[in-house]
Amino acid sequence: DTGVSQDPRHKITKRGQNVTFRCDPISEHNRLYWYRQTLGQGPEFLTYFQNEAQLEKSRLLSDRFSAERPKGSFSTLEIQRTEQGDSAMYLCASRQGVINNEKLFFGSGTQLSVL
Amino acid sequence: GENVEQHPSTLSVQEGDSAVIKCTYSDSASNYFPWYKQELGKGPQLIIDIRSNVGEKKDQRIAVTLNKTAKHFSLHITETQPEDSAVYFCAASIRNSGYSTLTFGKGTMLLVSP
Repeated sequence: DTGVSQDPRHKITKRGQNVTFRCDPISEHNRLYWYRQTLGQGPEFLTYFQNEAQLEKSRLLSDRFSAERPKGSFSTLEIQRTEQGDSAMYLCASRQGVINNEKLFFGSGTQLSVL
Repeated sequence: GENVEQHPSTLSVQEGDSAVIKCTYSDSASNYFPWYKQELGKGPQLIIDIRSNVGEKKDQRIAVTLNKTAKHFSLHITETQPEDSAVYFCAASIRNSGYSTLTFGKGTMLLVSP
């Protein structure tokens, strides 16, 4: 068990460019979450997958954002036409799909800076 | 939706003292309350959690208490050490249709001075 892995750790891009982040959850976890965290704030929920199905999306997830989990394992989060307001830490988390087991484990995040 | 308030925003203590961080939540349907520790450049790490059918839970130097009536819960750290210095987040979740999403507080920066 190597924990939740995210790549890249840091990404600097120019406004208007597209970026894609990858998340590899803990292997036996079928539930995967994306959160966004800005400086001085707690993580904010973006979207949630159960296996390959995207079951919930926050209103924070504008149409420039898209997330996939094609085979129910790793997930990608893409941001198109990035804006300076997209600068944040993007966190991936996973947990087992077992009733009464709510423990959510986070990766180290991808820090995005939009210039 | 759920709203979680956390205070204080910063807390400075001397090594060996106790630290208490408090949170309130708005939705009485919330039934799971985890606490996370986040060190610089890292993701949040789960340190302790409590469900709504329990009033208190302890794990070595840390403990969490829950008052469902008042809708608040607290993190207690005893015998603080410099390595406890970090940002701590409380969170609450509502179980719905077999899944749940966490709503976080804004965090408390704890500084433990030697």
